[in-house]
Amino acid sequence: AQSVSQHNHHVILSEAASLELGCNYSYGGTVNLFWYVQYPGQHLQLLLKYFSGDPLVKGIKGFEAEFIKSKFSFNLRKPSVQWSDTAEYFCAVKQGGATNKLIFGTGTLLAVQP
Amino acid sequence: DTAVSQTPKYLVTQMGNDKSIKCEQNLGHDTMYWYKQDSKKFLKIMFSYNNKELIINETVPNRFSPKSPDKAHLNLHINSLELGDSAVYFCASTQGNGELFFGEGSRLTVL
Repeated sequence: AQSVSQHNHHVILSEAASLELGCNYSYGGTVNLFWYVQYPGQHLQLLLKYFSGDPLVKGIKGFEAEFIKSKFSFNLRKPSVQWSDTAEYFCAVKQGGATNKLIFGTGTLLAVQP
Repeated sequence: DTAVSQTPKYLVTQMGNDKSIKCEQNLGHDTMYWYKQDSKKFLKIMFSYNNKELIINETVPNRFSPKSPDKAHLNLHINSLELGDSAVYFCASTQGNGELFFGEGSRLTVL
C-alpha cells in the first residue's frame, strides 16, 4: 500500500534559521505531490504542489520544495523561518490515474522561537 | 464567501448518541471527502464521493454513514457514538487533481 513518511515529528527552530522538512513516499508511478500547512486551531491550507515540469516548486510565504524522483522525496524548505511559521506541516501524495485518493504523512510540528 | 463550509464547528455529546455533521462546497467541484484528524494530528481519509457516488470507503465502522444529496453537499452521520470517535472531522473537495480545499473542521467530543 502507498505510504507517506515524514521523519521529523517535531522541529524547534529559532527565527531566521533555515528549515528543511523531509517527505518520502512509497509509490513508484506518476504522483502529484503536495505540502499543506495547518496553523494552530485552523484548517489545512495548500502551501505548494507539484504535478510535472520543474522539480523545484515555489509556494506561498517563501516556501519551496524539491521533487527528487530517484529518492521518492519531496522535501520542504524555507531559507529563513519566522515565528508566524509555527504550525503543523503535512506532506501528501496522490497517485496518478483515476483515483482521487490523497494520502497524508503523519505531519511535522514546527515551533519557531522568537 | 467560504469555499467549503462545515456545521457545526463544535459538537459535544454523550456516548451512544447519534449526531450529524454537514458540509457544503461552492467551488463546483465533483469530488468531496471526509477526513478524520485524531489527537496526534494524524489525518485519515474516511470517505470520498464523486458526483454523489461513493468511490472511497476506508474500512470505517458502519456506524458512520455518509450521504451526498448532490455534488455540492456531503454529510456525515454517526450512530452510537463512542469515546474513540472524538476527533476533528474535516470535509474537503477537489476538482480531480488531488489539490484539496478543506473546510474549517468540526471538533467532536464524546463524553
